[in-house]
Amino acid sequence: ILNVEQSPQSLHVQEGDSTNFTCSFPSSNFYALHWYRWETAKSPEALFVMTLNGDEKKKGRISATLNTKEGYSYLYIKGSQPEDSATYLCAFYSYNNAGNMLTFGGGTRLMVKP
Amino acid sequence: KAGVTQTPRYLIKTRGQQVTLSCSPISGHRSVSWYQQTPGQGLQFLFEYFSETQRNKGNFPGRFSGRQFSNSRSEMNVSTLELGDSALYLCASSLGVQSPLHFGNGTRLTVT
Repeated sequence: ILNVEQSPQSLHVQEGDSTNFTCSFPSSNFYALHWYRWETAKSPEALFVMTLNGDEKKKGRISATLNTKEGYSYLYIKGSQPEDSATYLCAFYSYNNAGNMLTFGGGTRLMVKP
Repeated sequence: KAGVTQTPRYLIKTRGQQVTLSCSPISGHRSVSWYQQTPGQGLQFLFEYFSETQRNKGNFPGRFSGRQFSNSRSEMNVSTLELGDSALYLCASSLGVQSPLHFGNGTRLTVT
C-alpha cells in the first residue's frame, strides 16, 4: 500500500492571504503526480499533471512544483479568494508489475474567509 | 463535449443485495477508473479499465467487480452489500496515465 500524505489536513485563511500545501509520496516507481480541486457538491477537477522532476506548473493564481527525488510536491495559491475554498487532492501515479495505479492523498481542506 | 456520466445519482439498497453502477466516459477516452469515498477516508482506488481490460485493481474484496464494454462504457458491481459499502462512488475517464482524470458526479450508495 502506497503512502501519499498531504499536509495540513485543513487550513483557514483570510481573503488575500497566500498559502501553500504539501503532498508527500514515495520517491520510487514515480510516473506522474496529479493535483485536483474538489468543491462541495461538485466532482473533482484537474489542476495539474506533473511528470518531470523540477516541473513547475501555473494556472492563474495557483502554481505547483515537483521534486521526485525527495518525493514531494507543493501547491501554492497566491491571494486566496473565497471561491478557492475547496479540498485540494494530490494523486501519485506509480508503476508496478500489474500496471499503473493512482493513489490519492487525504486532501487539504482550504477555507477562505472574506 | 459531454462529460463523464454516472447513473444512478443516488441508490438505497439493503444489506445482502447487489448493485450495478454505470459510467459513460468522455468520447475518445479509453481509460475508465473507479474510486470509493467514505467519510473520513480519501478517494480509494477500486479498479481501472482500458480497452475492455482491467489494468489494475485496488485493495478491495472480490465482492467488488467491474467491466468495460467495447464503447468504453463501464459498469461496477458490488455483491452481497454490507453497511460499510455506503459511500460515494466516483468514475473517471482519461486519455492515458499522463493525462488528467475527468470525473463524473458520482453515485451515492446507501446500504441499510
